Amino acid sequence: EAGVAQSPRYKIIEKRQSVAFWCNPISGHATLYWYQQILGQGPKLLIQFQNNGVVDDSQLPKDRFSAERLKGVDSTLKIQPAKLEDSAVYLCASSLHTEAFFGQGTRLTVV
Amino acid sequence: GENVEQHPSTLSVQEGDSAVIKCTYSDSASNYFPWYKQELGKRPQLIIDIRSNVGEKKDQRIAVTLNKTAKHFSLHITETQPEDSAVYFCAALSTGNQFYFGTGTSLTVIP
Repeated sequence: EAGVAQSPRYKIIEKRQSVAFWCNPISGHATLYWYQQILGQGPKLLIQFQNNGVVDDSQLPKDRFSAERLKGVDSTLKIQPAKLEDSAVYLCASSLHTEAFFGQGTRLTVV
Repeated sequence: GENVEQHPSTLSVQEGDSAVIKCTYSDSASNYFPWYKQELGKRPQLIIDIRSNVGEKKDQRIAVTLNKTAKHFSLHITETQPEDSAVYFCAALSTGNQFYFGTGTSLTVIP
């Protein structure tokens, strides 16, 4: 079974630049999550999709972060403009029922 | 929303000894509690989970216990091995199907 795919694996940008991350969940998984994991901390939920609808985006900094899941499959997470404190690993996860499967993550460094 | 607290943040044990990590949660309606193991630079991997209608679950050297009344659950690793060294995260699945994670425990098994 193919896992959750994310790209890129690593990204370095300057502050105030924009960046986008891509996630392809496990086939058939209706629920997709984006998490932010700052070094030394647990994953923090940014946004949850059920198919192509947003279920929870209460912790998404909407002034600079946006996410979409067109056609209920792939998803993109964008940051514009980036700040130094956005440096973190961005994890995508998908779920069919309860168990969540994680991708490898994208490590973002903002300099 | 749900709040998950995890202790200790770091744990060192001698090879062969047991390790215990504890988590508490705030939302009594949460009904699914997974534990993830994350090795350096890798994705979180589910190692064991427990549902709210079960008090204990065991899988070889790993066990999880759940006390719904006290709203806490624990991970027990027996006969620890160096390859058990990693960061462990507990999580709780809320009624909205959002996963809330603890802050992680860095486990070091000393050979």
